[in-house]
Amino acid sequence: EAQVTQNPRYLITVTGKKLTVTCSQNMNHEYMSWYRQDPGLGLRQIYYSMNVEVTDKGDVPEGYKVSRKEKRNFPLILESPSPNQTSLYFCASSPPQGLGTEAFFGQGTRLTVV
Amino acid sequence: DQQVKQNSPSLSVQEGRISILNCDYTNSMFDYFLWYKKYPAEGPTFLISISSIKDKNEDGRFTVFLNKSAKHLSLHIVPSQPGDSAVYFCAAISYNAGNMLTFGGGTRLMVKP
Repeated sequence: EAQVTQNPRYLITVTGKKLTVTCSQNMNHEYMSWYRQDPGLGLRQIYYSMNVEVTDKGDVPEGYKVSRKEKRNFPLILESPSPNQTSLYFCASSPPQGLGTEAFFGQGTRLTVV
Repeated sequence: DQQVKQNSPSLSVQEGRISILNCDYTNSMFDYFLWYKKYPAEGPTFLISISSIKDKNEDGRFTVFLNKSAKHLSLHIVPSQPGDSAVYFCAAISYNAGNMLTFGGGTRLMVKP
């Protein structure tokens, strides 16, 4: 079954404690991205990756890091989380441009930073 | 400033009637427009899309209309069913901007039996 898997689904952490949210896809997609969803703002892109070792900033990259060492994995790293990073996070993957524009999303990670 | 806007945060319709969800955008360089549907505790799922060179795309009960001169698109659901109750996100994509999806704020649709 084609899917994007995020872990953990729920996370409560304290300010300043480094954390990583993992994302893995089994569709051999080149393109992967991270979004955060906040009320009234929809989904905003944090970082994206066009392929292995190729990453770039989205709309709201401050406070986040990513890496793309393998095609299937795209972890999101918060080096020093702050309360304003409390949000619902989604990882997505999609085929290359021209082969389909729809993105496949993971089930989400609800992060609370206290 | 948001490039894609959904001005109605919620919409309520009766089962069997038409649901019309609206979306406005400001960037005339968008190549594709998409609608995603999201149920609670799940990720968004792709529903329907339309190329910027078309004005209508239909898939079963779902039709998307694009008015480029007004920078406006709409999603029509006919007939609406209770299972359509979800949050609907309008999104746009520009291939020159690295395949990035730009989302609207979402509209919560409630279909009453």
